[in-house]
Amino acid sequence: NAGVMQNPRHLVRRRGQEARLRCSPMKGHSHVYWYRQLPEEGLKFMVYLQKENIIDESGMPKERFSAEFPKEGPSILRIQQVVRGDSAAYFCASSDVLAGGSQETQYFGPGTRLLVL
Amino acid sequence: AQKVTQAQTEISVVEKEDVTLDCVYETRDTTYYLFWYKQPPSGELVFLIRRNSFDEQNEISGRYSWNFQKSTSSFNFTITASQVVDSAVYFCALGLISGGYQKVTFGTGTKLQVIP
Repeated sequence: NAGVMQNPRHLVRRRGQEARLRCSPMKGHSHVYWYRQLPEEGLKFMVYLQKENIIDESGMPKERFSAEFPKEGPSILRIQQVVRGDSAAYFCASSDVLAGGSQETQYFGPGTRLLVL
Repeated sequence: AQKVTQAQTEISVVEKEDVTLDCVYETRDTTYYLFWYKQPPSGELVFLIRRNSFDEQNEISGRYSWNFQKSTSSFNFTITASQVVDSAVYFCALGLISGGYQKVTFGTGTKLQVIP
């Protein structure tokens, strides 16, 4: 059973460009979370999605950031007009939420390291 | 508001020593979930354990053991007879149910270096 897949593993962008990060959840998982890890820090929640729905985007910056999880295909985290402060590791996690969350464990992908020059 | 504190930023031990990583959490919820994840130098996050708030039984898995103390809001992680492969950053995390799913808050991590 393949784990959570993320690509690319490393992404370099110049200021002002767009970054697209992809996440394929574990087989059978229909819930996706995105987290950001700044250097030397823990993970910070950004957004939680189910298929075709954004459930909670309270941790995502209001501007330049967007996320989607279409019916077919991977979840995408999109950062427009990147700035140096966006440089971080972006992790995706997936779960099969059961019993309203009480049986939930999030499994993480390997992350995408974004470097903005 | 929920919070996870890992006061130890970095720990160095010599191989075969035992080491305990501390984790203290804060929440007003009576039902919650505690996790430990390992992040080796390669960068991925590896799930180690999940513990429910209503189950205070300690757990042992090989050289790893976890001590959950509700009275002190702590969920400490001990590695016995440490090995170089244990070198990693370890994150403690707290999950709360909100709207039918878990919202997870991570600590800032403890970097463990095991010296051969």
